[in-house]
Amino acid sequence: QKEVEQDPGPLSVPEGAIVSLNCTYSNSAFQYFMWYRQYSRKGPELLMYTYSSGNKEDGRFTAQVDKSSKYISLFIRDSQPSDSATYLCACPIQGAQKLVFGQGTRLTINP
Amino acid sequence: DSGVTQTPKHLITATGQRVTLRCSPRSGDLSVYWYQQSLDQGLQFLIQYYNGEERAKGNILERFSAQQFPDLHSELNLSSLELGDSALYFCASSPRSGGGSYNEQFFGPGTRLTVL
Repeated sequence: QKEVEQDPGPLSVPEGAIVSLNCTYSNSAFQYFMWYRQYSRKGPELLMYTYSSGNKEDGRFTAQVDKSSKYISLFIRDSQPSDSATYLCACPIQGAQKLVFGQGTRLTINP
Repeated sequence: DSGVTQTPKHLITATGQRVTLRCSPRSGDLSVYWYQQSLDQGLQFLIQYYNGEERAKGNILERFSAQQFPDLHSELNLSSLELGDSALYFCASSPRSGGGSYNEQFFGPGTRLTVL
């Protein structure tokens, strides 16, 4: 079993829709939870992160962590075609020296 | 632009060969990380260096090795290449080594390796 599991999709939604991206993890020691966005032919870039359980909002993006169920979510409101990318959840271990990534979900927002 | 540079962008080589990938971290960052991204395995951590010393190791094959030089740039050496080594190789950098606190890693644009 992988430490971080993510449905690879692909996921295709119309512009303006609310998008929900999800991951599950198995390591109870994870404390930080990241979401990276990767555009085609580019390196991943950090979108946002949360510490422990709870919600964090940044503009149209909301990250949510439920440590009791080991569930990580990213919500995108009012989705735009420019949000089309692969979204990867990630958790750092070993004192934040190593990032463990989910498989990544390929998202397409259709105009 | 993350500030992390990687060369070359693309590399095409044959099985059995050896290649070197180069990474320059962001100005001031002391840690360099190498990751491999393939379709079947996703993005996987290979190795980390901090200020010239190896700090953490992932699922890095014995045929692969890395080092970080005094000017903090890093090189990933891949030898006896196999078809399955074809992948995107990313370098990332961060200011610190880690140690339990949040430690954002900034990724470079990657090197696409194709082994024929």
